[in-house]
Amino acid sequence: NAGVTQTPKFRVLKTGQSMTLLCAQDMNHEYMYWYRQDPGMGLRLIHYSVGEGTTAKGEVPDGYNVSRLKKQNFLLGLESAAPSQTSVYFCASIPGQGNQPQHFGDGTRLSIL
Amino acid sequence: DQQVKQNSPSLSVQEGRISILNCDYTNSMFDYFLWYKKYPAEGPTFLISISSIKDKNEDGRFTVFLNKSAKHLSLHIVPSQPGDSAVYFCAARTFFGNEKLTFGTGTRLTIIP
Repeated sequence: NAGVTQTPKFRVLKTGQSMTLLCAQDMNHEYMYWYRQDPGMGLRLIHYSVGEGTTAKGEVPDGYNVSRLKKQNFLLGLESAAPSQTSVYFCASIPGQGNQPQHFGDGTRLSIL
Repeated sequence: DQQVKQNSPSLSVQEGRISILNCDYTNSMFDYFLWYKKYPAEGPTFLISISSIKDKNEDGRFTVFLNKSAKHLSLHIVPSQPGDSAVYFCAARTFFGNEKLTFGTGTRLTIIP
């Protein structure tokens, strides 16, 4: 039982390149989230999904797109990477509504040169 | 607008003593609060939570206190152990917010042997 798995763990991109970060969970959770963590900023919500086929914007959505075609997967895309998107990205999931903690993956460290 | 604030970026405590981490919030609609612990190169892991209908929750060495009138919560760790050295994030949720969490900026706790 892997929980929440993020791939890749590390990536270096050049400005303007595109890439997709994958989050996979094997807990049959309904809700999934993408956060970014920057020094001194805590974790900030980028986009989230409350079920297969649904997505919604979080606090800092600009420059990112997401898709939830399958319940277990939540993809985060950068169409044209910018140095300001250098960060550590975390995915999280919960079963659904209710007082339950989010389960996090181990993160993807992304550097944009 | 930082709705969840952790004003101490770092804290050092002697092994065996009590560690007290503080968190303040501004949004009166928050109804569920959580503490997460994060080691380097790992994702945040859930530590303890408290609902707004309570003022205290205990789990082993960890106790969270909530003062709604002051919009303040604190995490007490006693006795502190070297393995407690990590970054601690407090987070808060509103009841109708699709389980989205708002995180504080974190406090780095160092336990001195």
